[in-house]
Amino acid sequence: EIVLTQSPATLSLSPGERATLSCGASQSVSSNYLAWYQQIPGLAPRLLIYDASSRATGIPDRFSGSGSGTDFTLTISRLEPEDFAVYYCQQYGGSPITFGQGTRLEIK
Amino acid sequence: EVQLVESGGGLVKPGGSLRLSCAASGFAFSSRSMKWVRQAPGKGLEWVSSISSTSGKIYYADSVKGRFTISRDNAKNSLYLQMNSLRAEDTAVYYCARGNGVRGVNAFDIWGQGTMVTVSS
Repeated sequence: EIVLTQSPATLSLSPGERATLSCGASQSVSSNYLAWYQQIPGLAPRLLIYDASSRATGIPDRFSGSGSGTDFTLTISRLEPEDFAVYYCQQYGGSPITFGQGTRLEIK
Repeated sequence: EVQLVESGGGLVKPGGSLRLSCAASGFAFSSRSMKWVRQAPGKGLEWVSSISSTSGKIYYADSVKGRFTISRDNAKNSLYLQMNSLRAEDTAVYYCARGNGVRGVNAFDIWGQGTMVTVSS
């Protein structure tokens, strides 16, 4: 099983700032099958990034994904108020599919 | 509008059974893989099960293997999860989700609103 470790657990930033979230895998993620999701409390997750760097339909271009192998990053270039939420990475190239434990992005 | 709507959650005693349903609309259901994901209260996301578009490939998390059964009815645009021998640790919001393409390996691009399953005596 591929274990995904997200850091930091909590990130405190202000609107307009840049956010960098990390996701490390215990072994190489096949074909960079790595996704990022945003979850606002009480709501379902929303797909942001798939295949490590492809933006999902309707996702603003301030969200970008990068990385390969075992190290992946989600960057939000300029934070908007609606971006403060919990973010999860997920690998879907290996079985079982696994999620990271999440990074909480909170308003400073 | 592309939509997934789960139903069937509720309160059940340990050892009991429950069948969740997920009604799909607004897209070609029969061409997409489908998944179940759960989230225990205050916890992160856990993948539960996946089924291919034709039901030819089915996968389960070890935590539910032998107790849960995923199925689909493409004629009814519906996904199901039969849950037997339920345990307290199965308590969670259960989401159905759609695979984001027609290849065999997919992220999950559309999610339902979730249905709560509580296992308690």
